[in-house]
Amino acid sequence: ELKVEQNPLFLSMQEGKNYTIYCNYSTTSDRLYWYRQDPGKSLESLFVLLSNGAVKQEGRLMASLDTKARLSTLHITAAVHDLSATYFCAVVPSGTYKYIFGTGTRLKVLA
Amino acid sequence: GAGVSQSPSNKVTEKGKDVELRCDPISGHTALYWYRQSLGQGLEFLIYFQGNSAPDKSGLPSDRFSAERTGGSVSTLTIQRTQQEDSAVYLCAGRDPGVPGNTIYFGEGSWLTVV
Repeated sequence: ELKVEQNPLFLSMQEGKNYTIYCNYSTTSDRLYWYRQDPGKSLESLFVLLSNGAVKQEGRLMASLDTKARLSTLHITAAVHDLSATYFCAVVPSGTYKYIFGTGTRLKVLA
Repeated sequence: GAGVSQSPSNKVTEKGKDVELRCDPISGHTALYWYRQSLGQGLEFLIYFQGNSAPDKSGLPSDRFSAERTGGSVSTLTIQRTQQEDSAVYLCAGRDPGVPGNTIYFGEGSWLTVV
């Protein structure tokens, strides 16, 4: 059974701290996506990672992909309150078109 | 339109009634997806449309759920004889299949409450 697992599921952190969210998946895929969802809102695309070793950065967020380990990370640097949201990773198994979403990580940054 | 448009944004219905949810994707986004998100949960794949190909209905939870896409653009998700467990946000997303590896763009969702 295909699994896309994120950890932690919940994360409460202080402003200014660093932390990493992990996304593990159980199938072959060379594409991985990160999304952000604010409460009561839809999903917003953050990063598209299309190859092994891909690294993308935007502001205080940096995402990377290791297809051999079937692992992606979303690193938060010097967190600020505005980053509070739920973050989802999504995998498209090779040879398919389905975006399979992870369980989500609910991040709360405390002032 | 500029973005993915979904309607209604909110729907409260009585158990046993039928509901229709509509999605109007971004122009040119011929790949269209429906997902369901229950409160505090992740996204559950429901159905996928691509051009004139037969849709992938493998995620539909029961035969009470159906979807169609007219003219390769607007899509309607229909839930017959609604049950309380159908209460969720139904999200539509589209993608331009001509762009390799492209992400999918979501609408704001239709919040369905079955009472």
